[in-house]
Formats: sequence, structure tokens, C-alpha cells
Amino acid sequence: DGGITQSPKYLFRKEGQNVTLSCEQNLNHDAMYWYRQDPGQGLRLIYYSQIVNDFQKGDIAEGYSVSREKKESFPLTVTSAQKNPTAFYLCASSPSGGIGELFFGEGSRLTVL
Amino acid sequence: AQSVTQLGSHVSVSEGALVLLRCNYSSSVPPYLFWYVQYPNKGLQLLLKYTSAATLVKGINGFEAEFKKSETSFHLTKPSAHMSDAAEYFCAVRALQGAQKLVFGQGTRLTINP
Repeated sequence: DGGITQSPKYLFRKEGQNVTLSCEQNLNHDAMYWYRQDPGQGLRLIYYSQIVNDFQKGDIAEGYSVSREKKESFPLTVTSAQKNPTAFYLCASSPSGGIGELFFGEGSRLTVL
Repeated sequence: AQSVTQLGSHVSVSEGALVLLRCNYSSSVPPYLFWYVQYPNKGLQLLLKYTSAATLVKGINGFEAEFKKSETSFHLTKPSAHMSDAAEYFCAVRALQGAQKLVFGQGTRLTINP
């Protein structure tokens, strides 16, 4: 079945450690996105990529980094520079030339101890 | 720039009652509009979308929404609530031109009382 796979689903890390969240899609979509979700704040865009080897900062990119070496993959690294990394992270994709409808993965919950 | 305001962070209705979740948008150009649903610890699932065709849009699970340009609104309704409708609902907007990215509202948590 086509879809978006995020891993791990739950992740615990100590303060000061970098962590990388995986996002893989087999929908053949050109665009991929990372959102952060906190209670009562909706979804906030971290980074997005509309084509391989290119990506743009979203509204809250500080303390995060991404890469887009393959069409299918868009990993997110939460660095030690991110002040409050504990959150639910959602990856999404959309086909190019469409209306921008997003298809979401199941999310990764990161807890920093 | 686009923005979305969802009125009411929590809405509670009785099973069988009308569900009304409010969404107002701001956009300098005609928008695409979306409603998504999220169950606990899950990703978001598309309920319905407005793409400048019919102003009354029907979605999955018996939900529908009406685009009202004069009120800049896109409220979500369902005639009769079911226990399985308990979830969080997000309204989102995207401009017809420009970067292909959605801006989300803060979400409304819907509780269904038996």
C-alpha cells in the first residue's frame, strides 16, 4: 500500500543530543514537509522540500536541519540547539501541480528528558 | 499571507446532535481550504477540500462544509454526531498562487457526550 512511514513512533533522548526522525514515502510525490505539533498550537511548518536536493525553511526552522537526497526520503534532525524539542512531529507529502493537499504519516513523538 | 482562525478550542455535543466547527480564513488571493481530522497519536486525515468549484463541499464520514466568501468562512458541519467523531479537527488554507504549503488553524477538539 502507498503511504508515508515515519520512524520511530516514540523516541526518548537526553538533553543535548541530536536525534534524527525518518520519513519515507512511496506515493511518488515531489513535495515533502515537516510539521511540529504542540497542544493548543496547531501545526507549525519546520521545513519543506518541493524537489530533490532543495528545501526551504518554514516558520520554526531554528534548531532543526533536513536533507533531501532522494525523492522518497526527507529525514529531520532535531539538534541540541532546539530549545524545546519535546513535541509530536508530523511528516507529509503532496504531489506537484496539485492543490497542495497533504498526505500525512502517523507521526513521531519525541520526549527529551 | 494566509492565516486561519478556529473559534473554540473545545466543542462538546451530545450524540445525535448537530456538529458545527467554525473556521475563518484570511487570504489576499482566492484560497484552497481544507478540513483534516486527527485521532489521538495519529497523523491527519483529509475530511474534505474546497477548490473553487461548488461552495458546498461534502466529505467523508457525513461531514460537509460551506465556503462563504463574504464571511471568509469555511465552517464544518455534520447533522448528527456519532461517538466515533470524537477527535481533533484542523482547518487549513493555501493560496492559489505561491508556495505549495498549508497554514493550519490551532485545532478544535470535539467531544461527544452519550
